[in-house]
Amino acid sequence: KNEVEQSPQNLTAQEGEFITINCSYSVGISALHWLQQHPGGGIVSLFMLSSGKKKHGRLIATINIQEKHSSLHITASHPRDSAVYICAGENFGNEKLTFGTGTRLTIIP
Amino acid sequence: KAGVTQTPRYLIKTRGQQVTLSCSPISGHRSVSWYQQTPGQGLQFLFEYFSETQRNKGNFPGRFSGRQFSNSRSEMNVSTLELGDSALYLCASSPGSEAFFGQGTRLTVV
Repeated sequence: KNEVEQSPQNLTAQEGEFITINCSYSVGISALHWLQQHPGGGIVSLFMLSSGKKKHGRLIATINIQEKHSSLHITASHPRDSAVYICAGENFGNEKLTFGTGTRLTIIP
Repeated sequence: KAGVTQTPRYLIKTRGQQVTLSCSPISGHRSVSWYQQTPGQGLQFLFEYFSETQRNKGNFPGRFSGRQFSNSRSEMNVSTLELGDSALYLCASSPGSEAFFGQGTRLTVV
């Protein structure tokens, strides 16, 4: 069993839909990262959070420490949001990242 | 401000050869981490350097090594390449919190 698990693995939605990607982790972490990877490989860090909720534009990330669960939400989704979204847990003490397997999001115009 | 720069972007090597990949972090960032991404294993942590010292290491064989220079630039070396080493190698620099990723080096071993 992976220490960090994401669901769903693949998600296809129509433009404008509200998107939710989930991430569960089984180990203690100091922070949870959400990353976005576009075709070609480049990775962009979207959020780093250790509690509560963060918002940046149409993206919202939440984390529940007790339940060891985080969600990434995208409001008013757009085809340019199509990418692979990866969550990663940061280990206590050494900042090593353990990654989920990613969610491939496709937004259809 | 320039981002994290990785060179080369693409590389083809044959089995048994060795390869060196380079990562120039964002100016002022002292931490550089390396990751391997394959279709089968996803993203995996290789190692992290901070102020020229390896601070953390992932579960990779000794063929994978790295170093960091006084200007924080980092290199990663893989010796005796195997077909399974074909992957996207990503580096990320950090000022201590958020990680900033480079575009990666896509290594193909034939």
